Parts: sequence; structure tokens; C-alpha cells
Amino acid sequence: TQLLEQSPQFLSIQEGENLTVYCNSSSVFSSLQWYRQEPGEGPVLLVTVVTGGEVKKLKRLTFQFGDARKDSSLHITAAQPGDTGLYLCAGSDNYGQNFVFGPGTRLSVLP
Amino acid sequence: DAMVIQNPRYQVTQFGKPVTLSCSQTLNHNVMYWYQQKSSQAPKLLFHYYDKDFNNEADTPDNFQSRRPNTSFCFLDIRSPGLGDAAMYLCATSREGLSSSYEQYFGPGTRLTVT
Repeated sequence: TQLLEQSPQFLSIQEGENLTVYCNSSSVFSSLQWYRQEPGEGPVLLVTVVTGGEVKKLKRLTFQFGDARKDSSLHITAAQPGDTGLYLCAGSDNYGQNFVFGPGTRLSVLP
Repeated sequence: DAMVIQNPRYQVTQFGKPVTLSCSQTLNHNVMYWYQQKSSQAPKLLFHYYDKDFNNEADTPDNFQSRRPNTSFCFLDIRSPGLGDAAMYLCATSREGLSSSYEQYFGPGTRLTVT
């Protein structure tokens, strides 16, 4: 069974600070997604990474997929209160049969 | 805009009284999923439909059933809700095929309260 771990579990920072959250596994994933979920809403897809070493940028968010496709990171530059939410990573194997979520990182950005 | 819609957004039911949650999608995706999410936890997959094929997770209680009458609609039936079934229920869809990356698109969820 593939498992994803995320760290830190909770993160509270001031507006304008930078931060990085991590998603790790001992298994190889064919693709990995990052979602953001706000209270009372469903997760919203931010990005999908599929190639080892891949880096994708979405405005102030930078996503990286590890070379071995076992881990990923999300870096936020100059965090804003609107970035507050639960960040979930999720991945699947080559056939999409084992789609799993990590436990999430709950981010709070204080004004 | 193409989307995943869940109705109702909030549902209150009594202990033991059957309840049905609805999901519809305009994305024309062939896979639909139901997740249960409790406070401060990640979504937990209950089951999914690959086209018409139903796939149940091993630890999903028999109390939870699902129906998918067509591509666009999927229902979650809870036959005898218990207090422990109070949660957010999320519907998601994906388009799976040889070139897909198995991205899932979520609806806004239905918050179920059991009294």
C-alpha cells in the first residue's frame, strides 16, 4: 500500500514570509497532485507533476517533484492571508489504481 | 463552466434514518468517487465507479451504498446513519485513460449532521 506523509502538519506564519511544505513517500508515483482546501469547501486542484525533477510555478507557488518521483515540495513566496487552507498532496501509481491522499498541512497566514 | 455539483450542501438526518446525497458533473468524466472527510483529516475514499463498474474500498462499511444511473450522476446512500457518520462527503471525478494523469476534480461537498 502506497502511503504519503506530509510535513509540517501545522504551520502558522506572518503575511509576507516564505514557506515550504513537504510530501514524502517510500513508493514511486506516476503522478502527484497538490490541492488546497478551504474550510467547508472541496479540495481545489493546484497542479499535477508527472516527471522526476519537474518544477512548476503558479504565481507565488513553486512545486517540485523529486528526481525519484517519491517526494514533492510546495514553496510559497511572500505568503498572503488568502493562502490559508489545508494543503493536500495526492498521488497514484502507473495505472491510477491506488490514488492516495497525504494527511495534509494546515497553513495559517496571519495579516 | 464545467463542474462537479453536490446537493444539498448541508444535510441533517436523524439517527438511523436513511439519507441520500447527490452528485452531478458536466465534465463528462468516466470515473466518479465518493470520499468521507472528518474534521482535520484527509479525505477517505469510500468507493468509486469506473464507468459502470463499482469499486468498493475494503474498509467501507456496508451501511454505505452507491448508485450511478448514468455518466453524469452518482448517489451516496447511507442506509442507517450513526453519529459517527457525521462528516463532509465529497464527490470527485476524473478522466482516466492512457494519457491521463488521474487528476481528480472535487465538488464543494455535503456536510452531513446526524442528530
